[in-house]
Amino acid sequence: EDQVTQSPEALRLQEGESSSLNCSYTVSGLRGLFWYRQDPGKGPEFLFTLYSAGEEKEKERLKATLTKKESFLHITAPKPEDSATYLCAVPILNDYKLSFGAGTTVTVRA
Amino acid sequence: DADVTQTPRNRITKTGKRIMLECSQTKGHDRMYWYRQDPGLGLRLIYYSFDVKDINKGEISDGYSVSRQAQAKFSLSLESAIPNQTALYFCATSGVREGLNTDTQYFGPGTRLTVL
Repeated sequence: EDQVTQSPEALRLQEGESSSLNCSYTVSGLRGLFWYRQDPGKGPEFLFTLYSAGEEKEKERLKATLTKKESFLHITAPKPEDSATYLCAVPILNDYKLSFGAGTTVTVRA
Repeated sequence: DADVTQTPRNRITKTGKRIMLECSQTKGHDRMYWYRQDPGLGLRLIYYSFDVKDINKGEISDGYSVSRQAQAKFSLSLESAIPNQTALYFCATSGVREGLNTDTQYFGPGTRLTVL
């Protein structure tokens, strides 16, 4: 069964303390991996799509990387405004549906 | 203006009541989705529609129904609400094919539904 697992569930960082979030997946024939950011009480906001192992994408202090079994979201020198829940998702079966992980909630203290 | 809008944003109702949540989009996308989000469980797909004439059940469709009134409108109904349907509900759209049967989903702001 296709599955997406994110770790850790929660991450508390000091401002400037870099760290990484993990998204592992067990889907056959990966057709993309999506990262979203979600602020409390709001809808997920699209960040990145990665399609092939070795691919990397960056946006401000965030960098997403992809291997054949997992993806990492690296947060470099985070600021309090980076506090959010980060979700990853992969397409499942052979259509456009996405399976989401439960998310990692990041809290950055000033 | 937001590309994906949802109404209402908050709703408190009682057990047994019929509730309709509405979603509209101005992105011109063909595909629309309804999810619910519960703490610790992530986003789970309720129903999805790939065009006006195509509606499909997701992983948790029991107790829900949908209507695709137009390309831009997709409504979710709870025929007889129960307390365990208390959750955050999100509508999403997609429509720009980027890979093999893959495209980016864009989410609305959500509806917080409480069933007493």
